[in-house]
Amino acid sequence: EPEVTQTPSHQVTQMGQEVILRCVPISNHLYFYWYRQILGQKVEFLVSFYNNEISEKSEIFDDQFSVERPDGSNFTLKIRSTKLEDSAMYFCASSEEDRVSPLHFGNGTRLTVT
Amino acid sequence: GQSLEQPSEVTAVEGAIVQINCTYQTSGFYGLSWYQQHDGGAPTFLSYNALDGLEETGRFSSFLSRSDSYGYLLLQELQMKDSASYFCAVFGSGNTGKLIFGQGTTLQVKP
Repeated sequence: EPEVTQTPSHQVTQMGQEVILRCVPISNHLYFYWYRQILGQKVEFLVSFYNNEISEKSEIFDDQFSVERPDGSNFTLKIRSTKLEDSAMYFCASSEEDRVSPLHFGNGTRLTVT
Repeated sequence: GQSLEQPSEVTAVEGAIVQINCTYQTSGFYGLSWYQQHDGGAPTFLSYNALDGLEETGRFSSFLSRSDSYGYLLLQELQMKDSASYFCAVFGSGNTGKLIFGQGTTLQVKP
């Protein structure tokens, strides 16, 4: 069964550094998402991406965050200047064209900011 | 906006039946979904209800009552591997496929 893959699985960075989290969504999916989950809390929406542009973003997704689909397969989340509170698990997800189709999540990248 | 409420923890024994409730408030309703998440793992899709009634998938069933803004996930013949967090979720009102998750219910299955 096709799956969403994320790299790296763990990332440790120092406060103020830039990080790029990478994702390869399922190939025939058209909607792409980033979510984050702080330890022990719920899964929070960050951004959705469709047709090569951001379709919706949350208040968490401020100017420090950006997303890109640099080629036909990769989908990246960049945090320009990391803060301690950015430490979380970041999940990439994708879904088919129908907006109510289920989301398929990757295994996540655990980001630790020190 | 959207908000969802579900119990934080549920404990049950192997072989039993457990029901996890979810109430929601949303502007515009596009169905109620359930996801399972094992410790540190990816959320995985379990079920989706767009219309009132019961949907059954093996040992898991999900119910929706739109008039009550209420749904539940029913897990039967519990197994140890069912110990996980269960999230109910609704689609956001924008045409983006965004999911809004509840806080999650941690299910502990005991022998």
